[in-house]
Amino acid sequence: AQSVTQLGSHVSVSEGALVLLRCNYSSSVPPYLFWYVQYPNQGLQLLLKYTSAATLVKGINGFEAEFKKSETSFHLTKPSAHMSDAAEYFCAVSESNFGNEKLTFGTGTRLTIIP
Amino acid sequence: DGGITQSPKYLFRKEGQNVTLSCEQNLNHDAMYWYRQDPGQGLRLIYYSQIVNDFQKGDIAEGYSVSREKKESFPLTVTSAQKNPTAFYLCASSSKGGDTQYFGPGTRLTVL
Repeated sequence: AQSVTQLGSHVSVSEGALVLLRCNYSSSVPPYLFWYVQYPNQGLQLLLKYTSAATLVKGINGFEAEFKKSETSFHLTKPSAHMSDAAEYFCAVSESNFGNEKLTFGTGTRLTIIP
Repeated sequence: DGGITQSPKYLFRKEGQNVTLSCEQNLNHDAMYWYRQDPGQGLRLIYYSQIVNDFQKGDIAEGYSVSREKKESFPLTVTSAQKNPTAFYLCASSSKGGDTQYFGPGTRLTVL
């Protein structure tokens, strides 16, 4: 069975500082991994995804994530935080042999940006 | 513009009433999904459908029902059997063989 753990339900960083949101996964087969962002009272927007190509994945809004199989991790980073990055972020995993029908989400990390 | 629409954005119902949430997509996607979101619990899958006239239960299907009579529509009914229906409901869709789910804006249901 697949699962996702997001360490830290709340993360605060200063504007201009590095953003690091942690995600560890468990999967019995090669995973597909996703990061989504959610602004208040809105749906989820795809930030980036890993589907077994390059291990360093670049997404929208300056975010990137690195797939590390040995650490079963897919942490999200951004070099310099902007006020508009304040939102909730979800990591998700699906098992590649199922395509996208079995998507399991982490419990989310709320990112606060300090002016 | 292609996308997923959910209506209404906010919905209030009295306890014991059934309520149907709408989800429509014009992306020509084959698969559609319903998730429930509660604070601190992430998203949990209620039902999904990979093809018209077929659907499968997700992890928390009890108290919910769906239909898939048209490719572009996947309505969710929250029945009176659902013990704690107040939540944010999200609909998603994906293409056949695709690797990504795309989400609608959500409906916030409050049962009074």
